[in-house]
Amino acid sequence: GENVEQHPSTLSVQEGDSAVIKCTYSDSASNYFPWYKQELGKRPQLIIDIRSNVGEKKDQRIAVTLNKTAKHFSLHITETQPEDSAVYFCAANRGGSQGNLIFGKGTKLSVKP
Amino acid sequence: NAGVTQTPKFRILKIGQSMTLQCTQDMNHNYMYWYRQDPGMGLKLIYYSVGAGITDKGEVPNGYNVSRSTTEDFPLRLELAAPSQTSVYFCASSYGPTGELFFGEGSRLTVL
Repeated sequence: GENVEQHPSTLSVQEGDSAVIKCTYSDSASNYFPWYKQELGKRPQLIIDIRSNVGEKKDQRIAVTLNKTAKHFSLHITETQPEDSAVYFCAANRGGSQGNLIFGKGTKLSVKP
Repeated sequence: NAGVTQTPKFRILKIGQSMTLQCTQDMNHNYMYWYRQDPGMGLKLIYYSVGAGITDKGEVPNGYNVSRSTTEDFPLRLELAAPSQTSVYFCASSYGPTGELFFGEGSRLTVL
């Protein structure tokens, strides 16, 4: 069945460094790729998303890139801060525009001051 | 505007008991979802609904039932609780199939 693989499962960086999280998906009909951030004990919240008609999207220190040919997309966080510490989930929609999301298993990011 | 509200926040069940997790949203979203989150396993879709009167199975529907009689409410029913259903459950809603998911605060369920 459809699958989303996410790497790494844990990531530790120094404050001010960049962090990169990578995901691959299997469903060639997927066209929507959101990223969610979940702080400890809290609900997941959308931080950025990208649709298949663009290759990159930026929002301040966060960017997402998409390579549809290779079926992978990545989250880039620059100038990391301690408040970026959280679990990040990538997702891809199943079966095209009407499909619901398949989530990766998450990446626990720790930013050391 | 409360967003997505789910209750209860915590519950301990004995094996074989049944219960209902309640979920209400006030954003007039047509799409609603129930996910379960197990440690290190991401979010797995249990059931979803694209509008009142319409529900469909997700990835892990066994042991659960849902109904959607109104746009606002999407309760999740656990029948004959099993230890494998110990998890954190999140209700979510969205305006469309590829839009932002708004999650509730989660319900931590333990089955002993």
